[in-house]
Amino acid sequence: ETGVTQTPRHLVMGMTNKKSLKCEQHLGHNAMYWYKQSAKKPLELMFVYNFKEQTENNSVPSRFSPECPNSSHLFLHLHTLQPEDSALYLCASSQGATDGNTIYFGEGSWLTVV
Amino acid sequence: SQQGEEDPQALSIQEGENATMNCSYKTSINNLQWYRQNSGRGLVHLILIRSNEREKHSGRLRVTLDTSKKSSSLLITASRAADTASYFCATDYSWGKLQFGAGTQVVVTP
Repeated sequence: ETGVTQTPRHLVMGMTNKKSLKCEQHLGHNAMYWYKQSAKKPLELMFVYNFKEQTENNSVPSRFSPECPNSSHLFLHLHTLQPEDSALYLCASSQGATDGNTIYFGEGSWLTVV
Repeated sequence: SQQGEEDPQALSIQEGENATMNCSYKTSINNLQWYRQNSGRGLVHLILIRSNEREKHSGRLRVTLDTSKKSSSLLITASRAADTASYFCATDYSWGKLQFGAGTQVVVTP
């Protein structure tokens, strides 16, 4: 247990569906992240939130919409995805944007777009 | 891109042997971190080495950092089957912002 919980662990959705990934951290951290992990590619940082404010959006398509209602919860809303969006989506948290920032990851949500 | 690049991409060794993997990066960093990922799971932080440090140890792990060559190495000594995983370096290039490499897949056979 890393203190970061993601649900669902597996999700299959059609290209016209709307679904959401949920993440909750029990570590008292101030920063939360969404990463995308595709086969044979480096982890891609998607979004960063510090104290509920979005501080980074790495040119992520608008079909991915993050929401951070408080420092403990983070959502990724998915809408009209493409098959190439199929990947492992990892949520993470940390104390914040400071030197020596160690990131704690959840177990990930496997997304398959059909 | 600032991301680290691990080498080799894959490594297969027997239990008891040492495993060494390298990471190269492109621009200056605040620190460099190594993470481990078991198949299909989240990443777990292993060790952090700051830009003014040259070597760090944690149990069977030894990390070196050469900022002049912009490279780092992770050594796992006396490997065990349970060390089978992917290992990633992550460079902290801007106050907590990490860029990850594609990882080294390590397989340790009994």
